[in-house]
Parts: sequence; structure tokens; C-alpha cells
Amino acid sequence: GAVVSQHPSRVICKSGTSVKIECRSLDFQATTMFWYRQFPKQSLMLMATSNEGSKATYEQGVEKDKFLINHASLTLSTLTVTSAHPEDSSFYICSATPFRDRVSYEQYFGPGTRLTVT
Amino acid sequence: SQQGEEDPQALSIQEGENATMNCSYKTSINNLQWYRQNSGRGLVHLILIRSNEREKHSGRLRVTLDTSKKSSSLLITASRAADTASYFCVSQETSGSRLTFGEGTQLTVNP
Repeated sequence: GAVVSQHPSRVICKSGTSVKIECRSLDFQATTMFWYRQFPKQSLMLMATSNEGSKATYEQGVEKDKFLINHASLTLSTLTVTSAHPEDSSFYICSATPFRDRVSYEQYFGPGTRLTVT
Repeated sequence: SQQGEEDPQALSIQEGENATMNCSYKTSINNLQWYRQNSGRGLVHLILIRSNEREKHSGRLRVTLDTSKKSSSLLITASRAADTASYFCVSQETSGSRLTFGEGTQLTVNP
């Protein structure tokens, strides 16, 4: 089956520092990767869509200069939370869509990264 | 809001009973999917129903889709304590692979 990993699974950082989260598709090539954020007892909110080799598309209200996304290869996307604040503490989940006959709709989710900013 | 709506927001039942969750979505869709999430954990894909399907079964799960009403339901039969989790309906738009999550239903199955 299609497996997506995230690293790290948990991270604690101090306010003002930057944190990088990796999302990897382990056994397939992903044309598109998505980044979601989930606050406690809430649903997942899409933050941005990234396509390999092009700039990410951010959802309304998501600061692109604060949440830097790099989709440098067909198996790796990174999300960097810059100048983190306590309100950025959240569960960050990525998903990846396989490239399949140029029409792909499955999304496979990573296990999530718990970010705590102190 | 980008999200669809689910009801109920919370459901508490006894083991052996059936649990029904409903969701509504806003756009034209390719498919609708249901996921479960245990507290603080990742998502587990349960079932996918395509826009041209009306009903689908998988084990103890039964999903219906009414595209005219833009709504779906998930029925879990003979519930178990291990079914305790949050359940999300997720619609995929026809315009691409973007997914929209419902607000979720917190199901508690009491032993």
C-alpha cells in the first residue's frame, strides 16, 4: 500500500525559532502534497497545496512567509514554521497524491507531527 | 468556511448498538470518504464512495451518498468500545484533488 511518513513525530521548540517538518512518500511518487493543521478537538484545515517543482498554493488566511513549503522532489515536501509562536502549536498532517495516468485522486495521509512552541 | 458539516458533533452509545453519523458538503464532488482518528493520532481511511454510487458496504460499515442533497451518512453496526474515535467525512472536489474535511463526530462506545 501507499505509505507516507512524517518526521519528526513530535517537536518542542522555543518561541522565535524555526521548525522544519518533512513529509515523504515512501513507495510512490507524489505529484501533489497537502499540508493540514489540526487544533485540539477540531477538524483538519487545509493550509497549502504543493506541487513538485512549483510554488505552493496557500489557503486564505495562511501566511506564506511564515509557513514555508518546499516540494523539491516527487517524494519529499517540507513545511518550515518560521519564527514560531505558542499559537502555532498544533498537529500538522501532510498527505500525498500519487501520480497515476495524470488523473489522481487518492490521498494518503502521514501520521502527523505534534508541534509545541514554548 | 471551507468545511462541511457533520452531525451529531458527539455521540455516545452502548456496545452492540448502531451508530449513525451524517455529513453535508458544499461543492460538486468526485467522491466522499470517511476517516477515523483516535485522539492525537493520525487518520485511518475507512471507505470511499464515488459520486455515481449511492451506497457502499465494508464490514460493519455502511455509507450512503445523496448527491442531490449533498449529504452522506456513515452507519457502524454492532459497535465496539474500540470504535471510540473521531469520524470525519471528507469530500473531494471535481475540480481537482483537494479534500474538504467535515467538522467531525466524536463517537464514544461505552462497554
